[in-house]
Amino acid sequence: AQKVTQAQTEISVVEKEDVTLDCVYETRDTTYYLFWYKQPPSGELVFLIRRNSFDEQNEISGRYSWNFQKSTSSFNFTITASQVVDSAVYFCALSELMDSNYQLIWGAGTKLIIKP
Amino acid sequence: NAGVTQTPKFQVLKTGQSMTLQCAQDMNHEYMSWYRQDPGMGLRLIHYSVGAGITDQGEVPNGYNVSRSTTEDFPLRLLSAAPSQTSVYFCASSYGRGNQPQHFGDGTRLSIL
Repeated sequence: AQKVTQAQTEISVVEKEDVTLDCVYETRDTTYYLFWYKQPPSGELVFLIRRNSFDEQNEISGRYSWNFQKSTSSFNFTITASQVVDSAVYFCALSELMDSNYQLIWGAGTKLIIKP
Repeated sequence: NAGVTQTPKFQVLKTGQSMTLQCAQDMNHEYMSWYRQDPGMGLRLIHYSVGAGITDQGEVPNGYNVSRSTTEDFPLRLLSAAPSQTSVYFCASSYGRGNQPQHFGDGTRLSIL
């Protein structure tokens, strides 16, 4: 069973629209960490946010916001007023303890296309 | 400030050849890791290390070896290349034991013929 599910393979919106990328995770641990990374067309991986399992406070950073809900095991990412530069593949990832160290498990990614 | 440096950026191998992908970081990070990225899939952890002299297997370790003789370097060895190992390989580093944000190299695109 997939531990991190990003059900949206590809999303296409017109610039200035709001868009939400979904992430559902599965873990039995009580302590874990969730991440979002961005991979623009140039291929590098850019860290966006980290959340630990005890902090359910939503976070806003400029046009980006994240909604963490333990009750539904979801950590969704919203871009407000999208821009062409937001076009990228976005990955959600879960870090959980395995054999005394943490391992990062990645979702398959959502390709976001912002059309001008 | 180089961050995480991977070499080479591109490589083509023949089936059965061996090679080493190099990874170096200058941030004094304890944790280093290797991932492979295949089309339509997220990154998958191959091997990781929590410090010099300590390595462990990730999700897809078969066909790969690693060593960590210094804090800075974490090379990945392909023992006998197979077409199934055609992929983009990323090296990453972070503080801690894998629960901190990771800094990634630019990746190595490897093709096995």
